[in-house]
Amino acid sequence: AQRVTQPEKLLSVFKGAPVELKCNYSYSGSPELFWYVQYSRQRLQLLLRHISRESIKGFTADLNKGETSFHLKKPFAQEEDSAMYYCALTGGTSYGKLTFGQGTILTVHP
Amino acid sequence: GAVVSQHPSWVICKSGTSVKIECRSLDFQATTMFWYRQFPKQSLMLMATSNEGSKATYEQGVEKDKFLINHASLTLSTLTVTSAHPEDSSFYICSASPGSGVKEQYFGPGTRLTVT
Repeated sequence: AQRVTQPEKLLSVFKGAPVELKCNYSYSGSPELFWYVQYSRQRLQLLLRHISRESIKGFTADLNKGETSFHLKKPFAQEEDSAMYYCALTGGTSYGKLTFGQGTILTVHP
Repeated sequence: GAVVSQHPSWVICKSGTSVKIECRSLDFQATTMFWYRQFPKQSLMLMATSNEGSKATYEQGVEKDKFLINHASLTLSTLTVTSAHPEDSSFYICSASPGSGVKEQYFGPGTRLTVT
Protein backbone atom coordinates (compact mmCIF):
# COMPACT_ATOMS: atom_id res chain seq x y z
CA ALA A 1 0.00 0.00 0.00
CA GLN A 2 1.19 3.49 -0.70
CA ARG A 3 1.55 5.97 2.08
CA VAL A 4 2.76 9.52 2.50
CA THR A 5 3.96 10.82 5.84
CA GLN A 6 4.50 14.42 6.78
CA PRO A 7 5.90 14.22 10.31
CA GLU A 8 5.38 17.87 11.20
CA LYS A 9 1.83 19.11 11.59
CA LEU A 10 3.03 22.63 12.40
CA LEU A 11 6.17 24.44 11.38
CA SER A 12 7.07 27.99 12.33
CA VAL A 13 9.99 30.01 11.02
CA PHE A 14 10.92 33.66 10.82
CA LYS A 15 11.00 35.60 7.60
CA GLY A 16 14.26 35.12 5.77
CA ALA A 17 15.06 31.83 7.48
CA PRO A 18 15.44 28.60 5.55
CA VAL A 19 12.52 26.22 5.66
CA GLU A 20 12.23 22.51 5.01
CA LEU A 21 8.95 20.62 5.03
CA LYS A 22 9.51 16.92 5.34
CA CYS A 23 7.79 14.24 3.32
CA ASN A 24 8.48 10.53 3.38
CA TYR A 25 6.69 7.97 1.31
CA SER A 26 6.15 4.26 1.12
CA TYR A 27 5.68 2.77 -2.31
CA SER A 28 6.91 -0.36 -4.03
CA GLY A 29 7.71 1.03 -7.42
CA SER A 30 8.45 4.33 -9.09
CA PRO A 31 6.04 6.91 -7.79
CA GLU A 32 5.37 10.40 -8.95
CA LEU A 33 5.55 12.93 -6.14
CA PHE A 34 3.87 16.29 -5.85
CA TRP A 35 3.66 19.18 -3.45
CA TYR A 36 0.34 20.98 -3.21
CA VAL A 37 -0.28 24.21 -1.31
CA GLN A 38 -3.47 25.60 0.16
CA TYR A 39 -3.40 29.26 1.13
CA SER A 40 -5.96 30.57 3.59
CA ARG A 41 -9.46 30.38 2.11
CA GLN A 42 -8.15 29.29 -1.27
CA ARG A 43 -8.28 26.06 -3.18
CA LEU A 44 -5.58 23.47 -3.24
CA GLN A 45 -3.08 24.18 -5.99
CA LEU A 46 -0.11 22.37 -7.41
CA LEU A 47 3.19 23.80 -6.25
CA LEU A 48 5.59 21.47 -7.97
CA ARG A 49 6.10 17.90 -9.14
CA HIS A 50 9.30 15.96 -9.03
CA ILE A 51 9.48 14.97 -12.68
CA SER A 52 9.66 18.55 -13.85
CA ARG A 53 12.51 19.41 -11.46
CA GLU A 54 11.40 23.01 -11.42
CA SER A 55 11.53 25.73 -8.82
CA ILE A 56 8.29 27.48 -8.04
CA LYS A 57 8.14 30.54 -5.78
CA GLY A 58 11.66 29.69 -4.68
CA PHE A 59 10.69 26.20 -3.50
CA THR A 60 12.49 23.09 -4.64
CA ALA A 61 12.08 19.42 -3.84
CA ASP A 62 14.34 16.54 -4.72
CA LEU A 63 13.18 12.96 -4.84
CA ASN A 64 15.52 10.79 -2.79
CA LYS A 65 14.65 7.20 -3.63
CA GLY A 66 17.18 5.80 -1.18
CA GLU A 67 15.59 7.60 1.73
CA THR A 68 12.11 7.56 0.14
CA SER A 69 11.80 11.26 0.78
CA PHE A 70 10.62 14.30 -1.10
CA HIS A 71 11.33 17.21 1.21
CA LEU A 72 10.29 20.72 0.21
CA LYS A 73 12.87 23.44 0.73
CA LYS A 74 13.18 27.17 0.42
CA PRO A 75 16.31 29.07 1.40
CA PHE A 76 14.58 32.27 2.50
CA ALA A 77 11.01 32.01 3.72
CA GLN A 78 8.55 34.86 3.09
CA GLU A 79 5.42 35.74 5.04
CA GLU A 80 3.29 34.95 2.00
CA ASP A 81 4.54 31.37 2.14
CA SER A 82 2.36 30.78 5.20
CA ALA A 83 -0.07 28.07 4.15
CA MET A 84 -0.93 24.41 4.44
CA TYR A 85 1.38 22.19 2.40
CA TYR A 86 0.52 18.68 1.27
CA CYS A 87 2.85 16.12 -0.15
CA ALA A 88 1.13 13.65 -2.50
CA LEU A 89 2.00 10.53 -4.44
CA THR A 90 0.60 8.64 -7.40
CA GLY A 91 1.72 5.59 -9.31
CA GLY A 92 1.23 1.97 -10.20
CA THR A 93 -2.22 0.44 -10.27
CA SER A 94 -3.69 3.52 -8.66
CA TYR A 95 -2.12 5.71 -11.29
CA GLY A 96 -3.79 9.06 -11.31
CA LYS A 97 -5.16 8.72 -7.78
CA LEU A 98 -3.38 10.89 -5.31
CA THR A 99 -2.47 9.77 -1.83
CA PHE A 100 -1.98 12.79 0.38
CA GLY A 101 0.09 13.25 3.48
CA GLN A 102 -1.47 14.75 6.56
CA GLY A 103 -0.29 18.22 5.68
CA THR A 104 2.01 20.71 7.36
CA ILE A 105 0.87 24.16 8.38
CA LEU A 106 3.73 26.56 7.73
CA THR A 107 3.71 29.89 9.52
CA VAL A 108 6.29 32.47 8.60
CA HIS A 109 6.62 35.19 11.22
CA PRO A 110 7.71 38.73 10.33
CA GLY B 1 -6.04 27.80 -17.52
CA ALA B 2 -7.13 24.56 -15.85
CA VAL B 3 -9.91 26.02 -13.72
CA VAL B 4 -12.32 23.83 -11.82
CA SER B 5 -15.48 25.21 -10.25
CA GLN B 6 -17.84 23.77 -7.69
CA HIS B 7 -21.42 24.66 -6.93
CA PRO B 8 -22.66 25.41 -4.40
CA SER B 9 -19.79 26.72 -2.31
CA TRP B 10 -21.77 25.97 0.83
CA VAL B 11 -25.04 24.31 1.60
CA ILE B 12 -27.09 23.63 4.70
CA CYS B 13 -29.64 20.85 4.57
CA LYS B 14 -31.86 19.00 6.97
CA SER B 15 -31.16 15.49 8.07
CA GLY B 16 -32.74 12.95 5.73
CA THR B 17 -32.66 15.12 2.64
CA SER B 18 -30.36 14.78 -0.34
CA VAL B 19 -27.99 17.38 -1.70
CA LYS B 20 -26.20 17.58 -5.04
CA ILE B 21 -22.79 19.14 -5.57
CA GLU B 22 -21.56 19.99 -9.05
CA CYS B 23 -17.99 20.00 -10.26
CA ARG B 24 -17.11 21.58 -13.59
CA SER B 25 -13.90 21.91 -15.54
CA LEU B 26 -14.20 25.31 -17.18
CA ASP B 27 -11.45 25.40 -19.77
CA PHE B 28 -10.45 21.81 -20.36
CA GLN B 29 -12.00 18.42 -20.82
CA ALA B 30 -11.68 16.27 -17.75
CA THR B 31 -11.22 12.63 -18.56
CA THR B 32 -11.16 11.84 -14.89
CA MET B 33 -12.62 13.57 -11.90
CA PHE B 34 -12.00 12.82 -8.26
CA TRP B 35 -14.05 13.51 -5.16
CA TYR B 36 -12.42 14.11 -1.81
CA ARG B 37 -13.60 14.76 1.68
CA GLN B 38 -11.63 17.01 3.99
CA PHE B 39 -12.08 17.44 7.71
CA PRO B 40 -10.91 20.65 9.42
CA LYS B 41 -7.13 21.01 9.35
CA GLN B 42 -6.80 17.45 8.10
CA SER B 43 -5.77 15.80 4.91
CA LEU B 44 -7.90 15.04 1.92
CA MET B 45 -9.47 11.62 1.81
CA LEU B 46 -10.22 10.28 -1.66
CA MET B 47 -13.80 9.09 -1.88
CA ALA B 48 -14.13 8.05 -5.49
CA THR B 49 -12.77 8.34 -8.99
CA SER B 50 -15.05 8.92 -11.92
CA ASN B 51 -14.40 8.63 -15.61
CA GLU B 52 -16.74 10.16 -18.13
CA GLY B 53 -19.42 7.75 -19.24
CA SER B 54 -18.61 4.99 -16.80
CA LYS B 55 -19.41 4.08 -13.22
CA ALA B 56 -17.41 5.65 -10.47
CA THR B 57 -14.84 3.65 -8.56
CA TYR B 58 -15.26 4.06 -4.83
CA GLU B 59 -12.55 3.81 -2.22
CA GLN B 60 -12.82 1.22 0.49
CA GLY B 61 -15.23 2.26 3.19
CA VAL B 62 -17.13 4.77 1.07
CA GLU B 63 -20.80 3.88 0.63
CA LYS B 64 -21.62 4.12 -3.05
CA ASP B 65 -25.36 4.17 -2.38
CA LYS B 66 -24.96 7.13 -0.11
CA PHE B 67 -22.55 9.13 -2.23
CA LEU B 68 -23.86 8.93 -5.78
CA ILE B 69 -21.45 10.12 -8.43
CA ASN B 70 -22.35 10.89 -12.01
CA HIS B 71 -19.87 11.95 -14.67
CA ALA B 72 -22.13 12.53 -17.62
CA SER B 73 -19.86 14.75 -19.66
CA LEU B 74 -16.21 15.65 -19.99
CA THR B 75 -16.78 18.87 -18.08
CA LEU B 76 -19.27 17.92 -15.38
CA SER B 77 -19.37 15.51 -12.48
CA THR B 78 -21.91 15.53 -9.68
CA LEU B 79 -21.84 14.15 -6.16
CA THR B 80 -25.18 13.54 -4.49
CA VAL B 81 -25.22 12.91 -0.77
CA THR B 82 -28.40 10.92 -0.22
CA SER B 83 -30.33 10.89 3.03
CA ALA B 84 -27.77 13.14 4.62
CA HIS B 85 -26.98 12.92 8.32
CA PRO B 86 -25.02 15.27 10.58
CA GLU B 87 -21.96 13.02 10.33
CA ASP B 88 -21.89 13.75 6.58
CA SER B 89 -21.14 17.38 7.37
CA SER B 90 -17.78 18.09 5.85
CA PHE B 91 -15.86 19.90 3.15
CA TYR B 92 -16.16 18.15 -0.20
CA ILE B 93 -13.58 18.88 -2.84
CA CYS B 94 -13.46 17.74 -6.42
CA SER B 95 -10.51 17.67 -8.75
CA ALA B 96 -10.17 17.07 -12.44
CA SER B 97 -7.45 15.69 -14.61
CA PRO B 98 -7.15 16.31 -18.34
CA GLY B 99 -5.76 12.83 -18.79
CA SER B 100 -3.64 12.00 -21.81
CA GLY B 101 -0.61 11.45 -19.66
CA VAL B 102 -1.15 14.50 -17.48
CA LYS B 103 -0.87 13.34 -13.95
CA GLU B 104 -1.57 16.45 -11.95
CA GLN B 105 -5.03 17.25 -10.75
CA TYR B 106 -6.69 20.65 -10.65
CA PHE B 107 -8.83 21.28 -7.63
CA GLY B 108 -12.14 22.98 -7.16
CA PRO B 109 -12.67 25.43 -4.31
CA GLY B 110 -14.68 22.95 -2.29
CA THR B 111 -18.22 22.79 -0.96
CA ARG B 112 -19.01 23.11 2.73
CA LEU B 113 -21.92 20.82 3.61
CA THR B 114 -23.67 21.24 6.94
CA VAL B 115 -26.42 18.81 7.84
CA THR B 116 -28.68 19.90 10.67
